[in-house]
Amino acid sequence: QVQLVESGGGLVKPGGSLRLSCAASGFTFSDYYMSWIRQAPGKGLEWVSYISSYSGGTTYYADSVKGRFTISRDNAKNSLYLQMNSLTAEDTAVYYCARDSAFLYDYWGQGTLVTVSS
Amino acid sequence: NFMLTQPHSVSESPGKTVTISCTRSSGSIASNYVQWYQQRPGSAPSAVIYEDNQRPSGVPDRFSGSIDSSSNSASLTISGLKTEDEADYYCQSYDSNNQGVFGGGTKLTVL
Repeated sequence: QVQLVESGGGLVKPGGSLRLSCAASGFTFSDYYMSWIRQAPGKGLEWVSYISSYSGGTTYYADSVKGRFTISRDNAKNSLYLQMNSLTAEDTAVYYCARDSAFLYDYWGQGTLVTVSS
Repeated sequence: NFMLTQPHSVSESPGKTVTISCTRSSGSIASNYVQWYQQRPGSAPSAVIYEDNQRPSGVPDRFSGSIDSSSNSASLTISGLKTEDEADYYCQSYDSNNQGVFGGGTKLTVL
């Protein structure tokens, strides 16, 4: 069965960096676009970034993270990543990785919590 | 870019029918498919409707979706409400760059 497992979240100081990982299994990872979606505490869902299938040559970012976050993938390791730099309190959220199936996020991980605080 | 606006909350009694709206701020609602997600407390979201009106496998037919070009909105209708339907519901579409756009979410209370 399809599984997505995020890791790498934690407490980081403002201005710091963090790298999130998402381990995928149960499907041909390279065939799918993948996305990161976040949810601030008590708030709604916010799309963060996506990466195209196969070589991952196409990436897009929400304006709120552009220039600070970088999405990447390693198909050999069935893994998705999100490098987050220059973090601020507004980046505090649960970060979900999701399989992007023709604009439907059909499978989600359980999420990993990122807390930015001094 | 456009926004998707949902009511903050709705409530209805068990066995009744409820409809949650999702209004697109600019551009046609019919331009891009709309999806709906259910999120129970402490859990990740899961899709209940995709491509405007399609149900993923395992989603009961009490859930249905539609779009209305005259009001430029999408709707999620849940009939025969059960207490287990109490959750947050989010509509989602995407823009011309295939970037996801989520509505603000609607808290459904079944009382």
